[in-house]
Amino acid sequence: EVQLVESGGGLVKPGGSLRLSCAVSGIIFSDAWMSWVRQAPGKGLEWVGRIKNKRDGATTEYALPVNGRFAISRDDSRDTLFLQMNSLKTEDTAVYYCATDLSLVVPGAWDYWGQGSLVTVSS
Amino acid sequence: FLLTQPHSVSESPGKTVTISCTRSSGSIARSYVQWYQQRPGSTPTTVIFEDSQRPSGVPDRFSGSIDSSSNSASLTISGLRTEDEADYYCQSYDINNHWVFGGGTKVTVL
Repeated sequence: EVQLVESGGGLVKPGGSLRLSCAVSGIIFSDAWMSWVRQAPGKGLEWVGRIKNKRDGATTEYALPVNGRFAISRDDSRDTLFLQMNSLKTEDTAVYYCATDLSLVVPGAWDYWGQGSLVTVSS
Repeated sequence: FLLTQPHSVSESPGKTVTISCTRSSGSIARSYVQWYQQRPGSTPTTVIFEDSQRPSGVPDRFSGSIDSSSNSASLTISGLRTEDEADYYCQSYDINNHWVFGGGTKVTVL
């Protein structure tokens, strides 16, 4: 069974920082591309960014609203994905989901999502 | 490009609903389309991937297709059940292979 479990969410002031973690099991994590997706309260889904696997250079890509403020990393020895969020703005308030990014690169594979972690940016 | 979905659809139990997802520019066939179901208060789950494939465990009441003439993808749910009441999102990839989501469609089972 594939499981993704996020942690690290909470309340932070504008301009502050927060780091989310996502522990992954049930897949060969080191082979997987991984993404973060967020959902503001009452709104739709928004892709935040991805990290590729080491074989593909472990390169990262970001959506424009977070580029330069957020950083995605991974620890393949711990099967864990991270999202470092800096210079947070009130509009970053959302539930943040980690998700596998398999369907783009693995024929016949579909993607799994974590349960989400709420980040609230407020003074 | 944008993916445009109807805001909401509703139908009675046992009936069929179809949700459209129209791509604003570029061919719908250029990149695979996925569909995610998000029940109230829950995390999204994949119900269709690669335009028309069902993950294991997803009932065959769910089907997906693409139509190049309308440049759109569709999710059809037949034999509608109360448990199908949820938000449904289509998703594809832009030229940089970044995820692009539709705005979501709320399915109400009357």
